[in-house]
Amino acid sequence: KAGVTQTPRYLIKTRGQQVTLSCSPISGHRSVSWYQQTPGQGLQFLFEYFSETQRNKGNFPGRFSGRQFSNSRSEMNVSTLELGDSALYLCASSLDPGGTEAFFGQGTRLTVV
Amino acid sequence: EDKVVQSPLSLVVHEGDTVTLNCSYEVTNFRSLLWYKQEKKAPTFLFMLTSSGIEKKSGRLSSILDKKELSSILNITATQTGDSAIYLCAGSFNQFYFGTGTSLTVIP
Repeated sequence: KAGVTQTPRYLIKTRGQQVTLSCSPISGHRSVSWYQQTPGQGLQFLFEYFSETQRNKGNFPGRFSGRQFSNSRSEMNVSTLELGDSALYLCASSLDPGGTEAFFGQGTRLTVV
Repeated sequence: EDKVVQSPLSLVVHEGDTVTLNCSYEVTNFRSLLWYKQEKKAPTFLFMLTSSGIEKKSGRLSSILDKKELSSILNITATQTGDSAIYLCAGSFNQFYFGTGTSLTVIP
Protein backbone atom coordinates (compact mmCIF):
# COMPACT_ATOMS: atom_id res chain seq x y z
CA LYS A 1 0.00 0.00 0.00
CA ALA A 2 1.61 3.25 -1.13
CA GLY A 3 2.16 5.93 1.46
CA VAL A 4 1.57 9.65 1.27
CA THR A 5 3.47 11.21 -1.61
CA GLN A 6 4.53 14.82 -1.66
CA THR A 7 6.12 16.55 -4.60
CA PRO A 8 8.50 18.15 -5.09
CA ARG A 9 10.83 17.15 -2.26
CA TYR A 10 12.91 20.32 -2.49
CA LEU A 11 12.22 23.73 -3.92
CA ILE A 12 14.13 26.99 -4.09
CA LYS A 13 12.21 30.13 -4.99
CA THR A 14 12.89 33.84 -4.87
CA ARG A 15 10.88 36.39 -2.95
CA GLY A 16 7.71 37.46 -4.70
CA GLN A 17 7.28 34.24 -6.65
CA GLN A 18 4.52 31.76 -6.07
CA VAL A 19 4.74 28.02 -5.48
CA THR A 20 2.44 25.02 -5.69
CA LEU A 21 3.00 21.89 -3.65
CA SER A 22 1.26 18.59 -4.21
CA CYS A 23 0.13 15.81 -1.89
CA SER A 24 -1.28 12.43 -2.88
CA PRO A 25 -2.86 10.70 0.13
CA ILE A 26 -2.98 7.00 0.91
CA SER A 27 -5.51 5.23 -1.27
CA GLY A 28 -8.93 5.43 0.36
CA HIS A 29 -8.08 8.37 2.60
CA ARG A 30 -10.27 11.37 1.99
CA SER A 31 -8.86 13.81 4.53
CA VAL A 32 -5.68 15.78 3.82
CA SER A 33 -4.13 18.25 6.23
CA TRP A 34 -1.25 20.61 5.59
CA TYR A 35 1.31 21.81 8.13
CA GLN A 36 4.23 24.19 8.15
CA GLN A 37 7.18 23.24 10.28
CA THR A 38 9.98 25.64 11.17
CA PRO A 39 12.70 25.21 13.82
CA GLY A 40 11.28 25.93 17.25
CA GLN A 41 7.71 26.38 16.00
CA GLY A 42 6.58 22.82 15.77
CA LEU A 43 3.85 21.84 13.36
CA GLN A 44 1.65 24.78 12.50
CA PHE A 45 -1.70 23.80 11.03
CA LEU A 46 -2.44 25.38 7.66
CA PHE A 47 -5.70 23.84 6.49
CA GLU A 48 -7.56 20.60 6.12
CA TYR A 49 -9.63 19.23 3.28
CA PHE A 50 -12.18 16.49 3.30
CA SER A 51 -14.13 15.41 0.24
CA GLU A 52 -12.95 18.45 -1.74
CA THR A 53 -14.11 20.91 0.93
CA GLN A 54 -11.90 22.99 3.18
CA ARG A 55 -13.11 22.17 6.65
CA ASN A 56 -10.62 24.00 8.82
CA LYS A 57 -8.07 26.73 8.34
CA GLY A 58 -5.19 27.75 10.54
CA ASN A 59 -3.98 31.22 11.32
CA PHE A 60 -2.07 31.96 8.14
CA PRO A 61 -2.40 34.88 5.72
CA GLY A 62 -4.48 34.65 2.59
CA ARG A 63 -1.32 34.09 0.53
CA PHE A 64 -1.63 30.48 1.62
CA SER A 65 -4.38 28.59 -0.15
CA GLY A 66 -5.22 25.06 -1.10
CA ARG A 67 -7.63 22.78 -2.81
CA GLN A 68 -8.53 19.14 -3.05
CA PHE A 69 -9.49 17.22 -6.14
CA SER A 70 -12.06 14.48 -6.59
CA ASN A 71 -9.35 11.82 -6.30
CA SER A 72 -8.42 13.29 -2.88
CA ARG A 73 -5.09 14.65 -4.10
CA SER A 74 -4.45 18.07 -2.67
CA GLU A 75 -2.40 21.08 -3.62
CA MET A 76 -1.36 24.06 -1.60
CA ASN A 77 -0.28 27.34 -3.11
CA VAL A 78 1.73 30.15 -1.61
CA SER A 79 1.73 33.44 -3.50
CA THR A 80 4.09 36.40 -3.14
CA LEU A 81 6.66 34.36 -1.27
CA GLU A 82 8.47 35.88 1.69
CA LEU A 83 11.75 34.80 3.29
CA GLY A 84 9.79 33.68 6.35
CA ASP A 85 7.92 31.12 4.26
CA SER A 86 11.04 28.98 4.16
CA ALA A 87 10.03 25.81 5.94
CA LEU A 88 9.25 22.13 5.69
CA TYR A 89 5.69 21.69 4.45
CA LEU A 90 4.10 18.43 5.49
CA CYS A 91 0.84 16.91 4.49
CA ALA A 92 -0.96 14.15 6.32
CA SER A 93 -3.76 11.91 5.18
CA SER A 94 -6.36 10.11 7.24
CA LEU A 95 -9.60 8.29 6.67
CA ASP A 96 -11.61 11.05 8.25
CA PRO A 97 -10.80 14.37 9.90
CA GLY A 98 -9.18 13.96 13.28
CA GLY A 99 -10.77 10.66 14.08
CA THR A 100 -8.19 8.15 13.03
CA GLU A 101 -4.45 8.10 12.79
CA ALA A 102 -2.90 10.46 10.27
CA PHE A 103 0.07 9.47 8.14
CA PHE A 104 2.58 11.97 6.90
CA GLY A 105 4.36 12.42 3.62
CA GLN A 106 8.09 13.09 3.44
CA GLY A 107 7.49 16.80 3.10
CA THR A 108 8.57 19.53 0.74
CA ARG A 109 11.52 21.63 1.85
CA LEU A 110 10.89 25.15 0.55
CA THR A 111 13.68 27.69 0.61
CA VAL A 112 12.92 31.29 -0.29
CA VAL A 113 15.93 33.42 -1.21
CA GLU B 1 -8.40 27.87 22.63
CA ASP B 2 -7.43 24.31 21.84
CA LYS B 3 -3.79 23.56 22.54
CA VAL B 4 -1.30 20.81 23.24
CA VAL B 5 1.77 21.32 25.44
CA GLN B 6 4.71 18.95 25.62
CA SER B 7 7.46 18.74 28.19
CA PRO B 8 10.34 18.77 28.48
CA LEU B 9 11.30 20.68 25.35
CA SER B 10 14.54 18.74 25.09
CA LEU B 11 16.21 15.88 26.84
CA VAL B 12 19.69 14.33 26.72
CA VAL B 13 20.16 10.86 28.17
CA HIS B 14 22.65 8.00 28.00
CA GLU B 15 22.01 4.71 26.30
CA GLY B 16 20.13 2.37 28.56
CA ASP B 17 18.29 5.10 30.45
CA THR B 18 14.51 5.21 30.70
CA VAL B 19 12.74 8.41 29.67
CA THR B 20 9.24 9.75 30.16
CA LEU B 21 7.83 12.37 27.84
CA ASN B 22 4.76 14.37 28.79
CA CYS B 23 1.87 15.75 26.81
CA SER B 24 -1.04 17.76 28.17
CA TYR B 25 -3.97 18.89 26.08
CA GLU B 26 -6.97 21.14 26.00
CA VAL B 27 -8.96 20.06 22.98
CA THR B 28 -12.66 20.67 22.74
CA ASN B 29 -14.63 17.48 22.22
CA PHE B 30 -11.46 15.46 22.40
CA ARG B 31 -11.45 12.23 20.40
CA SER B 32 -7.95 10.80 20.59
CA LEU B 33 -4.33 11.51 21.34
CA LEU B 34 -1.58 10.52 18.94
CA TRP B 35 2.18 10.16 19.32
CA TYR B 36 4.66 10.50 16.47
CA LYS B 37 8.43 10.15 16.10
CA GLN B 38 10.17 12.54 13.75
CA GLU B 39 13.77 11.80 12.81
CA LYS B 40 14.53 13.65 9.63
CA LYS B 41 11.47 14.45 7.62
CA ALA B 42 8.12 12.77 7.97
CA PRO B 43 6.74 12.10 11.45
CA THR B 44 6.04 8.40 11.79
CA PHE B 45 3.02 7.20 13.68
CA LEU B 46 3.58 5.52 17.05
CA PHE B 47 0.34 5.29 19.01
CA MET B 48 -3.23 6.43 19.03
CA LEU B 49 -4.95 6.53 22.43
CA THR B 50 -8.66 6.95 22.92
CA SER B 51 -9.42 5.25 26.23
CA SER B 52 -8.14 6.43 29.56
CA GLY B 53 -5.92 4.10 31.55
CA ILE B 54 -5.23 1.59 28.79
CA GLU B 55 -1.54 1.28 28.03
CA LYS B 56 -0.37 0.75 24.49
CA LYS B 57 2.99 -0.91 23.95
CA SER B 58 5.32 -1.44 21.07
CA GLY B 59 8.65 -2.97 22.02
CA ARG B 60 10.44 -0.60 24.37
CA LEU B 61 7.89 2.17 23.85
CA SER B 62 4.66 2.48 25.76
CA SER B 63 2.06 5.17 26.22
CA ILE B 64 -0.97 5.80 28.40
CA LEU B 65 -3.73 8.38 28.43
CA ASP B 66 -5.25 10.00 31.50
CA LYS B 67 -8.47 11.73 30.48
CA LYS B 68 -9.09 13.03 33.98
CA GLU B 69 -5.76 14.85 33.98
CA LEU B 70 -5.99 15.66 30.26
CA SER B 71 -2.55 14.23 29.72
CA SER B 72 -0.53 11.42 28.25
CA ILE B 73 2.95 10.05 28.76
CA LEU B 74 5.29 8.24 26.42
CA ASN B 75 7.83 5.95 28.05
CA ILE B 76 10.94 4.63 26.37
CA THR B 77 12.92 2.02 28.27
CA ALA B 78 16.53 0.94 27.63
CA THR B 79 17.04 3.83 25.24
CA GLN B 80 19.23 3.43 22.17
CA THR B 81 20.90 6.00 19.92
CA GLY B 82 18.27 5.22 17.31
CA ASP B 83 15.64 6.65 19.63
CA SER B 84 17.14 10.12 19.12
CA ALA B 85 14.37 12.14 17.48
CA ILE B 86 11.67 14.69 18.07
CA TYR B 87 8.59 13.17 19.64
CA LEU B 88 5.32 14.88 18.81
CA CYS B 89 1.94 14.44 20.37
CA ALA B 90 -1.35 15.61 18.89
CA GLY B 91 -4.85 15.89 20.26
CA SER B 92 -7.68 15.46 17.82
CA PHE B 93 -11.20 16.63 17.46
CA ASN B 94 -12.02 17.44 13.87
CA GLN B 95 -8.41 18.31 13.19
CA PHE B 96 -5.09 17.52 14.79
CA TYR B 97 -3.53 19.94 17.27
CA PHE B 98 0.20 19.32 17.61
CA GLY B 99 2.53 20.20 20.42
CA THR B 100 5.97 21.65 19.62
CA GLY B 101 7.60 18.35 20.43
CA THR B 102 10.27 16.99 22.75
CA SER B 103 13.73 16.65 21.27
CA LEU B 104 15.38 13.51 22.63
CA THR B 105 19.11 12.89 22.24
CA VAL B 106 20.53 9.55 23.33
CA ILE B 107 24.29 9.55 23.89
CA PRO B 108 26.25 6.28 23.46
